[in-house]
Amino acid sequence: GIQVEQSPPDLILQEGANSTLRCNFSDSVNNLQWFHQNPWGQLINLFYIPSGTKQNGRLSATTVATERYSLLYISSSQTTDSGVYFCAVEWFMRFGAGTRLTVKP
Amino acid sequence: EAGVAQSPRYKIIEKRQSVAFWCNPISGHATLYWYQQILGQGPKLLIQFQNNGVVDDSQLPKDRFSAERLKGVDSTLKIQPAKLEDSAVYLCASSLQGRTEAFFGQGTRLTVV
Repeated sequence: GIQVEQSPPDLILQEGANSTLRCNFSDSVNNLQWFHQNPWGQLINLFYIPSGTKQNGRLSATTVATERYSLLYISSSQTTDSGVYFCAVEWFMRFGAGTRLTVKP
Repeated sequence: EAGVAQSPRYKIIEKRQSVAFWCNPISGHATLYWYQQILGQGPKLLIQFQNNGVVDDSQLPKDRFSAERLKGVDSTLKIQPAKLEDSAVYLCASSLQGRTEAFFGQGTRLTVV
């Protein structure tokens, strides 16, 4: 089955810094989502982005389906951005292992 | 619009007991997913329904886990008997028709002692 790899596994930033999270997948996909899991365990939808680029405030995402990767950009990070970021692919929603982000004040 | 509702939020049981979780998806969403998330890992799909039919249950431990979605709306996930390794958060999600954006409930945290 399709494999999903996320990098880096852990990321520590100072407040105000920018970061890029990556999601690689082993086969072409028709469906890709990015989620933020907050410290209380809730999975929050960030982007539904099977291809192209989207922006929402300080966050943006780009998926290059032909090259089998997606990137999540976080600019001017805040402590509330801390948590685990997951990408999930295809309609059966295969998740990566996540990137744990810690933003320090 | 109401989100995905799950209950209970927390459950502690002894090994070999049974437990059931309930999920009410977003109104009109045909696709419903159950996931198991063990601490430190990404969610793992247990079962996916399209209306009241099973699309994928290849990772559901069928000797102890069962799930149903009567009338294509609410769903229940049952574990009987529970093992220590079943301690995890059980997440329910729904989407309009399986190839669109999915939304998650808050999950049920199960502890088996």
